[in-house]
Amino acid sequence: QKEVEQNSGPLSVPEGAIASLNCTYSDRGSQSFFWYRQYSGKSPELIMFIYSNGDKEDGRFTAQLNKASQYVSLLIRDSQPSDSATYLCAVNSGGNKLVFGAGTILRVKS
Amino acid sequence: EAGVAQSPRYKIIEKRQSVAFWCNPISGHATLYWYQQILGQGPKLLIQFQNNGVVDDSQLPKDRFSAERLKGVDSTLKIQPAKLEDSAVYLCASSLVDRRSRDQYFGPGTRLLVL
Repeated sequence: QKEVEQNSGPLSVPEGAIASLNCTYSDRGSQSFFWYRQYSGKSPELIMFIYSNGDKEDGRFTAQLNKASQYVSLLIRDSQPSDSATYLCAVNSGGNKLVFGAGTILRVKS
Repeated sequence: EAGVAQSPRYKIIEKRQSVAFWCNPISGHATLYWYQQILGQGPKLLIQFQNNGVVDDSQLPKDRFSAERLKGVDSTLKIQPAKLEDSAVYLCASSLVDRRSRDQYFGPGTRLLVL
């Protein structure tokens, strides 16, 4: 059974700080990795994807991938109250099938 | 560009009743997915279609759940009979087949409560 693990949180950070969200996965053959944001009562929204080892930056978001350690992270710089949501890590396990973690709740306090 | 459409948005039924959900994917998206998201959990893939063929239904409880995608566009997911543990949000998503763009886009979901 392919698994994706996330700390459920909540992770609380003050406004303007860096939020660091982490994810580990069990399938060493996984090739692509996604971060979705889900506001309460809403559907998941794709915010980042990463395929290669290293960092990928998009605005205030940076995704980091370490395939040797089977570890993916998402950094949110200058966190805003509007970033408060559940962040879902998803791993493509082949055939474009996504396996999701349970999500980490992020709370940004103003 | 219109997003993924789903209906109904909410449904309350009693256990052992039947229910059906409808999904219309983004125009041109050949791949369609149905996910079940139980409160506090991540979405779990139930079934994946490419055009009107099933790619993966390994996690679909086939004794009570069925899905079809006639003509490779709209899809319906049915539960018959429903159980209490089927209470969840049912999410439909779609994506292109192009290797360069396989991002999945989710619809608003159907919230099902089984009493």
